[in-house]
Amino acid sequence: AQSVAQPEDQVKVAEGNPLTVKCTYSVSGNPYLFWYVQYPNRGLQFLLKYITGDNLVKGSYGFEAEFNKSQTSFHLKKPSALVSDSALYFCAVRDQAGTALIFGKGTTLSVSS
Amino acid sequence: DAGVIQSPRHEVTEMGQEVTLRCKPISGHNSLFWYRQTMMRGLELLIYFNNNVPIDDSGMPEDRFSAKMPNASFSTLKIQPSEPRDSAVYFCASSWTSGTGELFFGEGSRLTVL
Repeated sequence: AQSVAQPEDQVKVAEGNPLTVKCTYSVSGNPYLFWYVQYPNRGLQFLLKYITGDNLVKGSYGFEAEFNKSQTSFHLKKPSALVSDSALYFCAVRDQAGTALIFGKGTTLSVSS
Repeated sequence: DAGVIQSPRHEVTEMGQEVTLRCKPISGHNSLFWYRQTMMRGLELLIYFNNNVPIDDSGMPEDRFSAKMPNASFSTLKIQPSEPRDSAVYFCASSWTSGTGELFFGEGSRLTVL
């Protein structure tokens, strides 16, 4: 069965510093990996995805993620954090097209000014 | 383009009452998903449909929950009778079945069962 782990419930960084939100996955085949962001009282918004190809994926709002097959990881990164990046971040995986996404438990990112 | 539309946004009801949540997917999408979000359990997949046909309902908690998709532009999630432990935010999402693309989420329906 496919699964996703986000080992940190919360990540705190200062504005302007780089940020990393960690994600590891487990699937039987080739993974399709996603990152979403959720602001309070809102739905989930898509940030980026890895399907195949370049291991470094660039997405919305300056975020990027690096796919590492040997470590089964897909960490979300941003070179310089903004206070407005403070939100709940979800990593998700599916093992084939047309199926549902399985989400991690989420990581709360807090960026201080 | 309109996104995924859910109604109601907020519902407060008493234990034992029937609750119906509604979802209109993005036009042209042929997969629809219902998720539930709680603090304790995070985001859980309840059920999903491809081309209006339920594919996996293993996440539906119990027989009190049912979901239908009578056509490509409408789905309902019904809870009868409702219980306080059903209190959660219920999200609907849609996508293209054949793709490897992302799901598009609605704003959610926050259910409180007293």
